[in-house]
Amino acid sequence: GQQLNQSPQSMFIQEGEDVSMNCTSSSIFNTWLWYKQEPGEGPVLLIALYKAGELTSNGRLTAQFGITRKDSFLNISASIPSDVGIYFCAGRWAGNNRKLIWGLGTSLAVNP
Amino acid sequence: EAEVAQSPRYKITEKSQAVAFWCDPISGHATLYWYRQILGQGPELLVQFQDESVVDDSQLPKDRFSAERLKGVDSTLKIQPAELGDSAMYLCASSHRDRGIDTQYFGPGTRLTVL
Repeated sequence: GQQLNQSPQSMFIQEGEDVSMNCTSSSIFNTWLWYKQEPGEGPVLLIALYKAGELTSNGRLTAQFGITRKDSFLNISASIPSDVGIYFCAGRWAGNNRKLIWGLGTSLAVNP
Repeated sequence: EAEVAQSPRYKITEKSQAVAFWCDPISGHATLYWYRQILGQGPELLVQFQDESVVDDSQLPKDRFSAERLKGVDSTLKIQPAELGDSAMYLCASSHRDRGIDTQYFGPGTRLTVL
C-alpha cells in the first residue's frame, strides 16, 4: 500500500529554535494534512493543504504542499515548551481519494 | 467549538472479554471513521461510515470487531473477544465535505489495555 516517509523521527531542541520536518511519498498526493498529537489525546489538525505549491501559516507554524505533489514540510518558528508532542503528516493519494495515508510521526521535545 | 466525543477515555479489560467504545461525531458530519493507533505509530483506519453505511472496512478484523452507526449519527465499535494484541488507542474522527474538501477532526480517543 501507499506509505509516507516522515523525517526526522525525533527532535530535541532548545526553546526558541526553529524546527523543520518533512514528509515524502513515491506517489502523487492531492491533499496534505499536518496534525499534532499530545500524550493520551487524539490528533489535532494544524494545517491543511490542497493545492501544489500552497504555502499556509497558522501562527508560528508554516506548511507547504510541494510542487511535485510528492512532499510537504512543516516549519515551527521560535519553539516553546508547549510545542512538545508528536507531529504527523497525512495525505490523500491521488489514486484513492477516500483514504488518508499517515506518516509515522516526528516526536518533538523542547528544552526550556 | 464543536468536538468529537468519545467514551470511555480509558478501558482495562481481561482477554476474552467484550468491550465497546462509543463515538459522537461533530453535528452535521456525515462521515465517521474508527482508527486504531498503536504506540509509536500513526493511526490505522479500521472502518469508515458515510451516514449509516459502511464504505470501507477492509482493515477491520471482522472475526472479532464490529462497528455500527444505526441512525447515521453516533457509532459504536465492539471487540469480542478482546485479545492482548488489541491494546491500543482507539480514535474516532468525523468529517464533512465542503467545496470538495473533506477534513477529518479527531476525538480524544479511548485507551484500551487488555490484560
